[in-house]
Amino acid sequence: DTEVTQTPKHLVMGMTNKKSLKCEQHMGHRAMYWYKQKAKKPPELMFVYSYEKLSINESVPSRFSPECPNSSLLNLHLHALQPEDSALYLCASSIQTSGYYEQYFGPGTRLTVT
Amino acid sequence: GDSVTQMEGPVTLSEEACLTINCTYTATGYPSLFWYVQYPGEGLQLLLKATKADDKGSNKGFEATYRKETTSFHLEKGSVQVSDSAVYFCALPSRSQGAQKLVFGQGTRLTINP
Repeated sequence: DTEVTQTPKHLVMGMTNKKSLKCEQHMGHRAMYWYKQKAKKPPELMFVYSYEKLSINESVPSRFSPECPNSSLLNLHLHALQPEDSALYLCASSIQTSGYYEQYFGPGTRLTVT
Repeated sequence: GDSVTQMEGPVTLSEEACLTINCTYTATGYPSLFWYVQYPGEGLQLLLKATKADDKGSNKGFEATYRKETTSFHLEKGSVQVSDSAVYFCALPSRSQGAQKLVFGQGTRLTINP
């Protein structure tokens, strides 16, 4: 099973709201990732977690706050977002961050900020 | 740094036509190479991979050969179907800040007409 699940599938939020995106995998992978994808562009890496610790933060604004409560779960907490943050948010996982392993992606959360 | 250059799209073909999407890369060392596919409204799916020089990855009728001498990983299919309409991304894993991240090409949008 190579499934990564994400909830919700769609999210509409105002600029003053607080919401969270959730990602889950049960493949025993120890690396998890958040990407942001704008229309007609490749995904852009936001955060990398390795063994539940934050390894990479690609200079993402603090209104995005990641959390990895355990090896299967990854959350992205959203607060005071801007309309330009509207995008598809993708979660991915891989066996680990060392080596050259493929990443498995979830279906994404389509976020609209109004 | 590591990079991927992918054939510009969009590409429009008739059903049963032959397909080639070019991908060249610049990398330190000899990473694995991947092709991902993104169907409309969905996340990315790993289509195929190759882990070393001269490896051929294949899946769903698609093939790509890891060519170290030309630093290429072109995607090919002998007879495309309407269901192959999607965006295709060439990618390689790259080390950054002690962890792996995927470097993507810009993506090639493929439309197959019946």
